[in-house]
Amino acid sequence: AQSVTQLDSHVSVSEGTPVLLRCNYSSSYSPSLFWYVQHPNKGLQLLLKYTSAATLVKGINGFEAEFKKSETSFHLTKPSAHMSDAAEYFCVVVDTGRRALTFGSGTRLQVQP
Amino acid sequence: DAGVTQSPTHLIKTRGQQVTLRCSPISGHKSVSWYQQVLGQGPQFIFQYYEKEERGRGNFPDRFSARQFPNYSSELNVNALLLGDSALYLCASSLVGSSAGGPNEQFFGPGTRLTVL
Repeated sequence: AQSVTQLDSHVSVSEGTPVLLRCNYSSSYSPSLFWYVQHPNKGLQLLLKYTSAATLVKGINGFEAEFKKSETSFHLTKPSAHMSDAAEYFCVVVDTGRRALTFGSGTRLQVQP
Repeated sequence: DAGVTQSPTHLIKTRGQQVTLRCSPISGHKSVSWYQQVLGQGPQFIFQYYEKEERGRGNFPDRFSARQFPNYSSELNVNALLLGDSALYLCASSLVGSSAGGPNEQFFGPGTRLTVL
C-alpha cells in the first residue's frame, strides 16, 4: 500500500525566509504525489502535483517540490515565506487500488512577522 | 462556475442518532469522493462513487454508507453515531472515477463540521 510521512508536525519561519516542508513516501511503483494546502475554515486547495512528467514541479503561489526517487522524498519549498502562507499543508499519494487519496498527517506552517 | 458545495455547514447530533450529509459536485464532474478529517489529522478516505456506483471504499464500519444520484450529487449517511464520529467531512469531485492528476484531479468542498455529543 502507498503511504506518506510528513516529518514535521509544525514549522515556524520568519516572513521573507525560505520554507521547507518535508515528506517521504512509500510505494511499490512510481507514485503520483500531491501537496494540498488547507487554510482555516476553508477547503483543501491543490498546490502542485507530480505524475512522472518532470522531477521538479512548480505549483501555485511560488511553491515547488522535487521528486527524489533515491531518497523517496517529495519535499515542498518556497524561497520566501509570506504571511498568507500560514496554513496546514498535506502531502498526498494516490492509492490507485482504492481509487483514493492517502493524506499525510499534515504540517502546520507558522509565519512570523 | 460554482465549486463543490456541501450542506449543512455545521451539524450537532447526539450519540446513537443518524445523520445525512450532502454534496454537489462541480458541473460536469461525474465522480464524488468522501473523506473524514478528525481534528489534528489528515483526511481519511471513506468512499468514491462514479456514475452512481461505488468504486472504492476505505476502512470504515458499515455504519457509514453513501449513494450518488443521477445528477451526480451524493449523500453520506452515518448511523448509530459515536463520539468518535465528530469530524470535518469533506467531499471531493472529479471528472472521472480515478485519483491521479489531470482530468482525475479532485476538487474539495469546504466540508461539513459534525459534532456528536
